Amino acid sequence: GAVVSQHPSWVICKSGTSVKIECRSLDFQATTMFWYRQFPKQSLMLMATSNEGSKATYEQGVEKDKFLINHASLTLSTLTVTSAHPEDSSFYICSATTAGRAKNSPLHFGNGTRLTVT
Amino acid sequence: QQPVQSPQAVILREGEDAVINCSSSKALYSVHWYRQKHGEAPVFLMILLKGGEQKGHDKISASFNEKKQQSSLYLTASQLSYSGTYFCGTEPQGGSEKLVFGKGTKLTVNP
Repeated sequence: GAVVSQHPSWVICKSGTSVKIECRSLDFQATTMFWYRQFPKQSLMLMATSNEGSKATYEQGVEKDKFLINHASLTLSTLTVTSAHPEDSSFYICSATTAGRAKNSPLHFGNGTRLTVT
Repeated sequence: QQPVQSPQAVILREGEDAVINCSSSKALYSVHWYRQKHGEAPVFLMILLKGGEQKGHDKISASFNEKKQQSSLYLTASQLSYSGTYFCGTEPQGGSEKLVFGKGTKLTVNP
């Protein structure tokens, strides 16, 4: 149980275009989803927290107009990288928590999306 | 505030033991441990809650000293499959559910 599906697993796009990444919880309701970004050989950096039905909360230094997050339902959150530039190339990973998550339950991660902007 | 992990990297031979440490400057509610292999998503290992908890799973165990705001991951009799980068994720007191990850410890197990 507790499967998180992230799509696409990789994408190559040209500078100036927008890319949408989907994160779905397949067998549970996720009231909260987190979006992380990971540069090669570095840690996972939290970008934003997405709550169903409300605006996402962005971490300091993350441009909310560039990284649009929508949490339309209890099973789907999307991250759209707008007007992508080569410096946006990275590994993006979502994670989700179950509704009413017990304090000893883990975050469930998607498999990540490798974005390459040319 | 990002937790500090040590060491940054460790190389072992199969069957050897290793300890990975994670320390925070803030009071913690929980510590999560994950292992990530290259190009893949992190895989959950275990969670430790406050209360000096210790846990074990097969030959991997961990402890959490909330007073010292530290956690350690113990890998005994390492196997080749243990290779990867280990991250601790800390949740601040109050239980915000927002994890902040350390920089990771790269573990390489050689035959």
